[in-house]
Formats: sequence, C-alpha cells, structure tokens
Amino acid sequence: EAQVTQNPRYLITVTGKKLTVTCSQNMNHEYMSWYRQDPGLGLRQIYYSMNVEVTDKGDVPEGYKVSRKEKRNFPLILESPSPNQTSLYFCASSRDLVDTQYFGPGTRLTVL
Amino acid sequence: AQSVTQLDSQVPVFEEAPVELRCNYSSSVSVYLFWYVQYPNQGLQLLLKYLSGSTLVKGINGFEAEFNKSQTSFHLRKPSVHISDTAEYFCAVSDPYSNYQLIWGAGTKLIIKP
Repeated sequence: EAQVTQNPRYLITVTGKKLTVTCSQNMNHEYMSWYRQDPGLGLRQIYYSMNVEVTDKGDVPEGYKVSRKEKRNFPLILESPSPNQTSLYFCASSRDLVDTQYFGPGTRLTVL
Repeated sequence: AQSVTQLDSQVPVFEEAPVELRCNYSSSVSVYLFWYVQYPNQGLQLLLKYLSGSTLVKGINGFEAEFNKSQTSFHLRKPSVHISDTAEYFCAVSDPYSNYQLIWGAGTKLIIKP
C-alpha cells in the first residue's frame, strides 16, 4: 500500500530535550516536505527536500533541522524544543512540486 | 508574495443542501490550484486540482471547483452534502515566484447539520 508513515504519532516532552520525528514514504517520491498545523493558521511549511541531499527552508524553519540521506526518509529534528513548537506536524511527499502531495497521519507534539 | 484567503473559518449547512467554500488568491500570474480535505484525526488528502485546461474541475466525492482567473478565485462546491463530508477543507496555491511552493489557506471547517 502506498503510504507516508510518521513516528511517533503522539509525543509529550519537556523543553530542551532533543527529539526526532521520523517520516518514510514507499512511493519513490522525489519531493518531501514537513508542515506544522496550528488552529487558524492552516499549514505552514517548515522544510522541504527536492531530492536526496537537497533540502531548503520553508516559511517557519527556526528551531528545526532536517536531513535527506536517502530518498524514502526525511526526519524532522528538534534540537532544543520549546513550548511554541507544540503543534501538529505533517510529513508529505510527491513526485514533484506540482503533483499531488501525499500526507502522513500526523504527529501531535506537546512541549512542556 | 502569493497569499491565499479562505474567507469562512466555518460553514454550517444542512445535510443534502448545496455548499460553496470560497478561496481567493492574491496574484493573477499563472498558478496551480488545489483543494485538500482533512477528515477528523487524519492527514490531508487531495480533493481536486487545477493545472490547466477546463476551468471547471471535478474531484472525488462529488466535489467540483471553478477556476476564475479574473477574480483570482477557486471556489469549491458540492450540490448535496452528506454527513460524511464533515471535515476541514484547505485551498492551496503554488507560487511560481517561490519555486512553486504551496501556499495554504487557513482552512474552512464544514459542519453538516442533520
């Protein structure tokens, strides 16, 4: 089954404790992206990757890191999480920039 | 820079009634347009998209949208809604001046009243 998986689905952590949210797709997609969703703000892009080893900042990259060492995986790293990073996070992938994006189920992160 | 406005944060409608969810974008340059739907506690999935050609686009679950270049709008419509259409709907526009990155609207919650 074609899908984007994210782990964990739910995470409660404390300020400053490094964490990683994994994202994996099995569709051989070139393009992957991370979004955060906050009430009333829609989706805001954090980082995106056009292909392996190529990543770039989205609209809200501060406090986040990513890496794309292989095509299928695109982890999101929070080196020192803060409460303002409490949000719902989505990973997405697509064949290219204007093709349909396929979304993961989301990761709900709470930073205390 | 491109921006997307979804004028209604919530739209309540009775079951079997028609609905229109509005989406306007800021730039009249050639753009690609998308509607995504998010059912409760799920990720987003594509409803429909406009890349070129006919301005009336049909999508899944009986939804359609009309691209209006002069009014820079891409409103979503359904002639008769069902309780299963309860979801949040997002309009998105690709921005050719930002490497075709998607710019998202804030979303419209469709509330179906029985």
